[in-house]
Amino acid sequence: AQKITQTQPGMFVQEKEAVTLDCTYDTSDQSYGLFWYKQPSSGEMIFLIYQGSYDEQNATEGRYSLNFQKARKSANLVISASQLGDSAMYFCAMSLVMDTGRRALTFGSGTRLQVQP
Amino acid sequence: ETGVTQTPRHLVMGMTNKKSLKCEQHLGHNAMYWYKQSAKKPLELMFVYNFKEQTENNSVPSRFSPECPNSSHLFLHLHTLQPEDSALYLCASSQDPASGGGANNEQFFGPGTRLTVL
Repeated sequence: AQKITQTQPGMFVQEKEAVTLDCTYDTSDQSYGLFWYKQPSSGEMIFLIYQGSYDEQNATEGRYSLNFQKARKSANLVISASQLGDSAMYFCAMSLVMDTGRRALTFGSGTRLQVQP
Repeated sequence: ETGVTQTPRHLVMGMTNKKSLKCEQHLGHNAMYWYKQSAKKPLELMFVYNFKEQTENNSVPSRFSPECPNSSHLFLHLHTLQPEDSALYLCASSQDPASGGGANNEQFFGPGTRLTVL
């Protein structure tokens, strides 16, 4: 069974500092994708970053980087130079193959990040 | 309009009411999804449509009835709901991974409909 685990229900970080949000996953698929989404209080899910299972380099998108450790099955999100606007829920997700052979996303339980001035 | 839109943004309904949630995507995608997000629970996939055909029904009760008239529109018809159905309902779209999207099943989400069942 595929599963995503986020063990940090909540995190605090000082403005301008870096923070790491943890994500571990479990899958028997060889080909899969890992995603991070941000959900502000408005409710919309905002795509942040993607890492493919065959990508050798860690993904980066601006202040976001994904620390992908395949052997440990972890895909931690690193946010550098935190800003007050980064305060939100963050979800790790993995694409999985459904019984139909098609892919869908399964999500972790999320981490609430609060950036303090 | 761009991206994925959802209406209404907020909905309060009684248990005997019938209402519909609407989702529209302007991204040219061919796969659409309904998710349910309850308080303190992970997002739960409800339905998946690929090329207007329902390809996944994640054991959702029949009081939720999806409809996908074309690749751009997705509805969720609600009837005889229970208070525990109160949640944020999110719609998403993507390029169908089976048609070349591969493992990068990046989904674009709408703002959601916050539903309260009294």
